[in-house]
Amino acid sequence: EMMMTQSPATLSMSPGERATLSCRASQSVSSNLAWYQQKPGQAPRLLIYDASTRATGIPARFSGSGSGTEFTLTISSLQSEDFALYYCQQYNSWPRTFGQGTKVEIK
Amino acid sequence: EVQLLESGGGLVQPGGSLRLSCAASGFTFSSYAMDWVRQAPGKGLEWVSGISSSGRNTYYADSVKGRFSISRDNSKNTMYVEMNSLRAEDTAVYYCIKDRFSVTTYFDRWGQGTLVTVSS
Repeated sequence: EMMMTQSPATLSMSPGERATLSCRASQSVSSNLAWYQQKPGQAPRLLIYDASTRATGIPARFSGSGSGTEFTLTISSLQSEDFALYYCQQYNSWPRTFGQGTKVEIK
Repeated sequence: EVQLLESGGGLVQPGGSLRLSCAASGFTFSSYAMDWVRQAPGKGLEWVSGISSSGRNTYYADSVKGRFSISRDNSKNTMYVEMNSLRAEDTAVYYCIKDRFSVTTYFDRWGQGTLVTVSS
């Protein structure tokens, strides 16, 4: 099973700052990686797919990069609505697997 | 507008069974793979099962293989998961997912979830 490891577990940031979240795969997943955002009491929503393509309606301040085993989600300038949980997910092999999540909290 | 409405969750005893349904609307249901992803209370996301657009291909996480069975009825725009031999560790919110393609890749749209509690 492909293991996905996210770091850090928690990121304490202030509004307006740049946030960088990491996701590492135990083996190469090529560019078959997605990122999701989840707010308390809500279902997750798709942010990024194919490692770097923003989903419909996702603001340009969200960007994804990487390939192989190392991936990054960057939020260029944190808005109040961006404080949430973020998960990466690989779809290169079965079973599909998620990282354990990174919580972006207000400092 | 894509809508995914889960139903069938509730309290069940260990060893019991439950069937979840997901009624879909707002897209051509028969063109897309569908999945179930679950989230235990206070925990992360776990992909549970997926089914191709035609229903011919099904996939399961090891944790549920042999106990859960996914299916779909494209004439009713509905997906199901039959859950048997339920365990306490199956307690979670179960999300119905519309996939982006005809086979499971990434999870394009999510339902609001239905809570399954396995407890005596």
